[in-house]
Amino acid sequence: KAGVTQTPRYLIKTRGQQVTLSCSPISGHRSVSWYQQTPGQGLQFLFEYFSETQRNKGNFPGRFSGRQFSNSRSEMNVSTLELGDSALYLCATRTSGLTEQYFGPGTRLTVT
Amino acid sequence: AQKITQTQPGMFVQEKEAVTLDCTYDTSDQSYGLFWYKQPSSGEMIFLIYQGSYDEQNATEGRYSLNFQKARKSANLVISASQLGDSAMYFCAMRGINTGTASKLTFGTGTRLQVTL
Repeated sequence: KAGVTQTPRYLIKTRGQQVTLSCSPISGHRSVSWYQQTPGQGLQFLFEYFSETQRNKGNFPGRFSGRQFSNSRSEMNVSTLELGDSALYLCATRTSGLTEQYFGPGTRLTVT
Repeated sequence: AQKITQTQPGMFVQEKEAVTLDCTYDTSDQSYGLFWYKQPSSGEMIFLIYQGSYDEQNATEGRYSLNFQKARKSANLVISASQLGDSAMYFCAMRGINTGTASKLTFGTGTRLQVTL
């Protein structure tokens, strides 16, 4: 069974630009969550999508948004990039309930 | 609210020895899951082991075992026969079942494990 895939793996953007990251879950996984990891803040929850609906959102500004498609693939978008948005963005997928959650390899975003 | 505490920022272990990474948690959820992940320098978060709060037996996965003590709210990871490839950051995490806790994993700050010859 293929694992979680994330594209692109690396991105360099300039302040003020916007970026879209993609996550393809393991087959059969309908939940996709996004996390931001930085050295200062650690791992922080951004949002979760399940069956194309956002179920929960972390404490991030509205510049961070996401969506999920009918095939469970998910995208997250960050508009008006700031230097502080430089981070590793990880997506994690699972079926439902209290089950194992698997992460993708991450997208490393650098904002200059 | 949920909280995970990992008190060991860094650990050293000799190859082939066993090592225990500590994790304590706090939650008001009656049912929850506890997870351990390994993050090598490449950045990928690798799932190691899962323990449900109502599981009667401690979880094991190959060289990994989870020492779950519910009354003490601890979920320590034991790695047996350490290998050089085990050198990485290790995160303890949990997720509950209630609104607000079901969607997200709450992570600890991690323990950096270094395996030496």
